[in-house]
Amino acid sequence: KNEVEQSPQNLTAQEGEFITINCSYSVGISALHWLQQHPGGGIVSLFMLSSGKKKHGRLIATINIQEKHSSLHITASHPRDSAVYICAVRGRGGSEKLVFGKGTKLTVNP
Amino acid sequence: KAGVTQTPRYLIKTRGQQVTLSCSPISGHRSVSWYQQTPGQGLQFLFEYFSETQRNKGNFPGRFSGRQFSNSRSEMNVSTLELGDSALYLCASSLGDRGETQYFGPGTRLLVL
Repeated sequence: KNEVEQSPQNLTAQEGEFITINCSYSVGISALHWLQQHPGGGIVSLFMLSSGKKKHGRLIATINIQEKHSSLHITASHPRDSAVYICAVRGRGGSEKLVFGKGTKLTVNP
Repeated sequence: KAGVTQTPRYLIKTRGQQVTLSCSPISGHRSVSWYQQTPGQGLQFLFEYFSETQRNKGNFPGRFSGRQFSNSRSEMNVSTLELGDSALYLCASSLGDRGETQYFGPGTRLLVL
């Protein structure tokens, strides 16, 4: 079993829909990261969370440490949100290596 | 401020050769991490350097090595290339060694024939 599990693997939505991507992990962590990867490979770090909730524009990330679960929400989705979203966790200690989920491929149709 | 740069962007090698990839972090960043991305395995951690010291190493064979220079620039080397080493190699830099946000470079796409 992978340390980091994401669901769904693939997601297709219509423009304007509310999107939720889930991430579950099995180890104790110091932080959880949400990353966005567009076709061509470039990766952008969206959020780094250790507790609670963060919001940036139309993106919201939440984490429940007790349940070892995080969600990434996209409100009013747009075709430019089409990308692969990757969850990654860092073990306790702050300098532990990042362990990645397999990613969720999101396609938003106009 | 310039972002993370990686050179070369694309590379074709044959089995048995060796390759060196370079990463220049954002100015002022002292931590550099390397990752391998393949369609089958996804993103996997290779190694992390901070102030010229390797702090963490992933589960890769000894053919994969790296180093960091005093100006924080980093190189990774893969010797005796295998077909399975074909991948996108990404480096990321961060300010310190406390698990801060990482900023990724565009990657080097390596094809081994």
